[in-house]
Amino acid sequence: NAGVTQTPKFRILKIGQSMTLQCAQDMNHNYMYWYRQDPGMGLKLIYYSVGAGITDKGEVPNGYNVSRSTTEYFPLRLELAAPSQTSVYFCASSAGGHTGELFFGEGSRLTVL
Amino acid sequence: GQQVMQIPQYQHVQEGEDFTTYCNSSTTLSNIQWYKQRPGGHPVFLIQLVKSGEVKKQKRLTFQFGEAKKNSSLHITATQTTDVGTYFCAGHPMDSSYKLIFGSGTRLLVRP
Repeated sequence: NAGVTQTPKFRILKIGQSMTLQCAQDMNHNYMYWYRQDPGMGLKLIYYSVGAGITDKGEVPNGYNVSRSTTEYFPLRLELAAPSQTSVYFCASSAGGHTGELFFGEGSRLTVL
Repeated sequence: GQQVMQIPQYQHVQEGEDFTTYCNSSTTLSNIQWYKQRPGGHPVFLIQLVKSGEVKKQKRLTFQFGEAKKNSSLHITATQTTDVGTYFCAGHPMDSSYKLIFGSGTRLLVRP
């Protein structure tokens, strides 16, 4: 059971570079989320999606973009990377918005130098 | 915007002592969930509370949801070294069924 799969696990970027964090889930969940977790801190919601073709901003969307063309995939795009985007990024999925538990991927650790 | 705060930020206990973390939301929540994150790991779901005043138990863990649905607590009886990690509460605001807002977390360290 793969669950939620994130790639890459680690990445170092230079300031101004762009990249896409990949997220895939095989549980047929409608709801998907991207969070970032700075060292020693909690999780901040970047973007979320309630189904294919539908996305919305979370608490900290600036500097990021998402797309949701299929139920399975929810990539997160970083444009013009900045040191403030150094963080661990977690993708999660859920079966139901109000009551569903979140299943998290193992995280992608991003460093911007 | 909506905020979910947790206290304490850190708690260092002797194995066998009890531990409690408190979660407070600035707005009313439709439900509250609790997650545990081991060092270097990802958050893992523990439980969800939905009803006002609800209390649930999982072995040594007791979870409560406040009457006003704005606060919650997690109590661990007789901590063990396997309890080490960061405990997060997370809630769905009443005005949004999709967003799940996480608290700041409480990091638990247990001395053997």
